[in-house]
Amino acid sequence: SQQGEEDPQALSIQEGENATMNCSYKTSINNLQWYRQNSGRGLVHLILIRSNEREKHSGRLRVTLDTSKKSSSLLITASRAADTASYFCATSRPGNTGKLIFGQGTTLQVKP
Amino acid sequence: EAQVTQNPRYLITVTGKKLTVTCSQNMNHEYMSWYRQDPGLGLRQIYYSMNVEVTDKGDVPEGYKVSRKEKRNFPLILESPSPNQTSLYFCASSTSGGWTEAFFGQGTRLTVV
Repeated sequence: SQQGEEDPQALSIQEGENATMNCSYKTSINNLQWYRQNSGRGLVHLILIRSNEREKHSGRLRVTLDTSKKSSSLLITASRAADTASYFCATSRPGNTGKLIFGQGTTLQVKP
Repeated sequence: EAQVTQNPRYLITVTGKKLTVTCSQNMNHEYMSWYRQDPGLGLRQIYYSMNVEVTDKGDVPEGYKVSRKEKRNFPLILESPSPNQTSLYFCASSTSGGWTEAFFGQGTRLTVV
């Protein structure tokens, strides 16, 4: 069963603008990860945030985690056309075998 | 270069004809898994392996088999493919399951007619 749900399903912005994607999940987690997928290609890991962390940065990426609301957000600042892709959150649950459970993703289009 | 390699990238086959999709990683990862990706359903785990000779079912294992005889390889076997197995398949590996980042292969687009 899918754990994470991304919102919005699709997002279209102009180059230079910021893009925010949200992920909600249902059960306790060990960590939450964000991945990017260019059309039809493999997923690329972006960032991992552990359940005891609230915010993490990596370059133009900023991820927040609110375990009380069971939600996370991914912010891409100063977006570029090359950021056009689908973005997925994935959760890892305590006591689980360690597998990742993916949401259905947000499709981001950045217009030049 | 650290990578997960899947073959073939594209495959069209007929119903009932056994096929194998290979997956190999060069990072000495213990954990490997297979996912399928379908529109509107996201990625769903088919099978996973926590080490050599240790495999277990994921969320959608019906119609698939796997084996893990060597640490680097984790082939996905479809003994009798059916059209509902038409999908985009990904192999992934990591040092320890969901505890760390996963590395994904480039995908295999399978069409069963």
